[in-house]
Amino acid sequence: QLQLQESGPRLVKASETLSLSCTVSGGSISSTSYYWGWIRQPPGKGLEWIGSIYYRGTTYYNPSLNSRVTMSVDTSKNQYSLQLSSVTAADTAVYYCARPYYDILTGYYRSEYFEHWGQGILVTVSS
Amino acid sequence: QSALTQPASVSGSPGQSITISCTGTSSDFGGYSQVSWYQQHPGKAPKLLIFDTNNRASGVSSRFSASKSGNTASLTISGLQADDEADYHCSSYTSTNTYVFGAGTKVTVL
Repeated sequence: QLQLQESGPRLVKASETLSLSCTVSGGSISSTSYYWGWIRQPPGKGLEWIGSIYYRGTTYYNPSLNSRVTMSVDTSKNQYSLQLSSVTAADTAVYYCARPYYDILTGYYRSEYFEHWGQGILVTVSS
Repeated sequence: QSALTQPASVSGSPGQSITISCTGTSSDFGGYSQVSWYQQHPGKAPKLLIFDTNNRASGVSSRFSASKSGNTASLTISGLQADDEADYHCSSYTSTNTYVFGAGTKVTVL
């Protein structure tokens, strides 16, 4: 059973860089052709897509965060990572990593949708 | 890229049907855009309910249905049950390989 687990500092100072990793277990991060995602949710608010990365390194970022986001993959550790620079209080959120939906009827992974999510990690930006 | 517009809350009694709307722009819902809906119980990660605008994800109850007309997508929950009390998020995957979510709708079962 595929599992995703976010890890990293839960408290980050304003203006510094937030760094999180997502460790994938129960499957290889490089075994299939789809994008792995990061999504966040500020307390009491809606979801916000941060970006997605292919195991070979191709990335798509949210235009509103593009200048501050960097994502990378480490296939040897079966994990992928997120860095968000120059954080402010507005970046306080639960950060989720997620894998696309597997459509059993077609046998295809659908990168447009997220099926498997990590439990999420609350990152607080302090002043 | 603004969030999709959803009502903050919708409520209904057990057994009733409710509909949640999700409004965007032609950029959000036009062309290749793919609409989905997620259910999120408090303290839990979201769960995919609907993909490709109106297809239920594996294992999702037939009480959940969805549609889209123009720039508005809708999720209907029929036969409302206590466990349906949760937040519901719509999402659009756009032609520029980006995702936009709604602000979420809190469903209360009276």
